[in-house]
Amino acid sequence: EDQVTQSPEALRLQEGESSSLNCSYTVSGLRGLFWYRQDPGKGPEFLFTLYSAGEEKEKERLKATLTKKESFLHITAPKPEDSATYLCAVRGNAGNNRKLIWGLGTSLAVNP
Amino acid sequence: GAVVSQHPSRVICKSGTSVKIECRSLDFQATTMFWYRQFPKQSLMLMATSNEGSKATYEQGVEKDKFLINHASLTLSTLTVTSAHPEDSSFYICSATRDRAKGYTFGSGTRLTVV
Repeated sequence: EDQVTQSPEALRLQEGESSSLNCSYTVSGLRGLFWYRQDPGKGPEFLFTLYSAGEEKEKERLKATLTKKESFLHITAPKPEDSATYLCAVRGNAGNNRKLIWGLGTSLAVNP
Repeated sequence: GAVVSQHPSRVICKSGTSVKIECRSLDFQATTMFWYRQFPKQSLMLMATSNEGSKATYEQGVEKDKFLINHASLTLSTLTVTSAHPEDSSFYICSATRDRAKGYTFGSGTRLTVV
């Protein structure tokens, strides 16, 4: 069964304190791993899509990496405005391959 | 970039009434749209997948007669919560894609409160 597990559940950082969020997954035939950011009361905002092990993508202070079992979202020198819930999802090739399998998210708080 | 507009952002309705939520893709044609429900501090729960011009595919446990989905065009899908009850109060979010390989764009969500 396709599954996504995110850790930690919550993370509190000081401004400038770099860290990483983890997304472990099991899926039959990965067809994409997605990272989203969600602010309270808003819909998820797309960050990255990764397709194959070894792939990396960067955007400002964020960098996403992918292996065959997990993905990391590295946050370098975070700022308070990076505070949000970060969601990971995967799409496989089994069953209804149009839908995403979601993790529960990591709630990130960055203190000034 | 791809933009999805969702309305209303908030709605309060009386128990027993119906509420319609609209989801529009503004700058692209969405072959598939998705409707999610999200409870506080929980992740997204897929309710149904809809393709333009065909019946929606509902996830297990989602009542088809209660959550009516219409995807009449490539840019518009609607979710109607019929005979709403307080337990239907939740955050509903739509998502659309024109090319699954390029990702999914989400609307800003609708906070439904049934009193």
